[in-house]
Amino acid sequence: DQQVKQNSPSLSVQEGRISILNCDYTNSMFDYFLWYKKYPAEGPTFLISISSIKDKNEDGRFTVFLNKSAKHLSLHIVPSQPGDSAVYFCAASAPGSGNTGKLIFGQGTTLQVKP
Amino acid sequence: DVKVTQSSRYLVKRTGEKVFLECVQDMDHENMFWYRQDPGLGLRLIYFSYDVKMKEKGDIPEGYSVSREKKERFSLILESASTNQTSMYLCASSLGGKFYEQYFGPGTRLTVT
Repeated sequence: DQQVKQNSPSLSVQEGRISILNCDYTNSMFDYFLWYKKYPAEGPTFLISISSIKDKNEDGRFTVFLNKSAKHLSLHIVPSQPGDSAVYFCAASAPGSGNTGKLIFGQGTTLQVKP
Repeated sequence: DVKVTQSSRYLVKRTGEKVFLECVQDMDHENMFWYRQDPGLGLRLIYFSYDVKMKEKGDIPEGYSVSREKKERFSLILESASTNQTSMYLCASSLGGKFYEQYFGPGTRLTVT
C-alpha cells in the first residue's frame, strides 16, 4: 500500500518555464514533508522541506506547497534550468518514539528541462 | 560536508551467496538507514539504526539483516542472495534529532544471478 504517491513518472519543461511536481499522501499523521533530488550515479540529496503546520515554504527558485485537506503537496521550480534535470522524490516523515522515525518515499518523477 | 561512502559501486553475486554491503559516514551521525531503489517503487526502507547495536525493521526487512558495531559503520547483510534482491542499495545517515534530513551515499548496484 503506497502511502506516498507521485503519479507522474516524468515531466518535460522548457528552460525558463515553471516546473510543477506533484505528490499525494494518505496518512494524516505525517508531520513533515520533504523533496529530494537524485542525479544518475549519485545518491539523493535533500532539497526542501515543509512542516505539516505550514502551507508554503520557499527557498530560492524552489517552493513547496502543502494542502492538508487534499493530502497533496507540490514542488514548484521557477525558473527551470537544464541543471534541474533529475529524478525528484517526495517523502513524508513518520515519527517514531523519541527522536526516531522514518521517511516514506514516493516513486519519483523524472524532470527533464530542455534548453 | 557530510560524506557517506559505500564499499562498492557495482557488485555481482550468485544466488545463495552471503552478501555484505558496507556503509561508512564521517559526520558522527546517530541515525543510519538502508534503502533499496527499484523502478516504479521509489526508495523503500529495509532497516535503520538510531544508535550503536540498535536496529529497527523498516518496511521490507525480509531476507536482510544489519549490523552496527560502531557509530560510523552500518552493514547490510543478505544471508542467502536471491534474484529478487537485484537492486540499487542506498545507505543514508542523519543527526539524531533530524532523522528526516538524510544524507545519502552513491549507492551499490547489486546484481544476483
